Amino acid sequence: AQSVTQLDSQVPVFEEAPVELRCNYSSSVSVYLFWYVQYPNQGLQLLLKYLSGSTLVKGINGFEAEFNKSQTSFHLRKPSVHISDTAEYFCAVGSGNTGKLIFGQGTTLQVKP
Amino acid sequence: DTGVSQNPRHKITKRGQNVTFRCDPISEHNRLYWYRQTLGQGPEFLTYFQNEAQLEKSRLLSDRFSAERPKGSFSTLEIQRTEQGDSAMYLCASSVTSGGGFPEAFFGQGTRLTVV
Repeated sequence: AQSVTQLDSQVPVFEEAPVELRCNYSSSVSVYLFWYVQYPNQGLQLLLKYLSGSTLVKGINGFEAEFNKSQTSFHLRKPSVHISDTAEYFCAVGSGNTGKLIFGQGTTLQVKP
Repeated sequence: DTGVSQNPRHKITKRGQNVTFRCDPISEHNRLYWYRQTLGQGPEFLTYFQNEAQLEKSRLLSDRFSAERPKGSFSTLEIQRTEQGDSAMYLCASSVTSGGGFPEAFFGQGTRLTVV
């Protein structure tokens, strides 16, 4: 069975500071990894994804993530955050070809002025 | 293309009533997924369709829940005899199969259900 653990439920950070949101996964098969962002009362928007190839993945809005197979991690980073980055962030894992996703519990990023 | 569309956006119902939600996927997307998201949690998979065939159902989908995709286009999710524990955001997503790789899911804005 697959599972995803997001290690921090809330991450407060000041504007223009760097941030890292941590994600670890558990799976017995090859996986595909995703980060989604959710603004209040909205659906999910894909930030970035790892399917294969380079372990450093760049996404939208200046975010990037690194797939580390040995540590089963896929941490999300941004070198300088903005107020508008305040949202809920979800890490997700998929396997096979169904498109079905298993999500973590989410991390609330709170960017303070 | 306007993306995945879900209606209604909000629904308040009394306990014991039946409710139905609709999802219109992106045109030509052959896969459609339903997820449930309770407050403070990540989305949980409920079920998915490939065209009109329902291929997988989660154990979360009790016998009060039923989903259909009759013509392989839009889908409906019905909850019978609603309970307060059904209060959640119901998210729909769609994708298109391509060459054996993992299909990217595109999400709608969700239907927020409140059972009072």
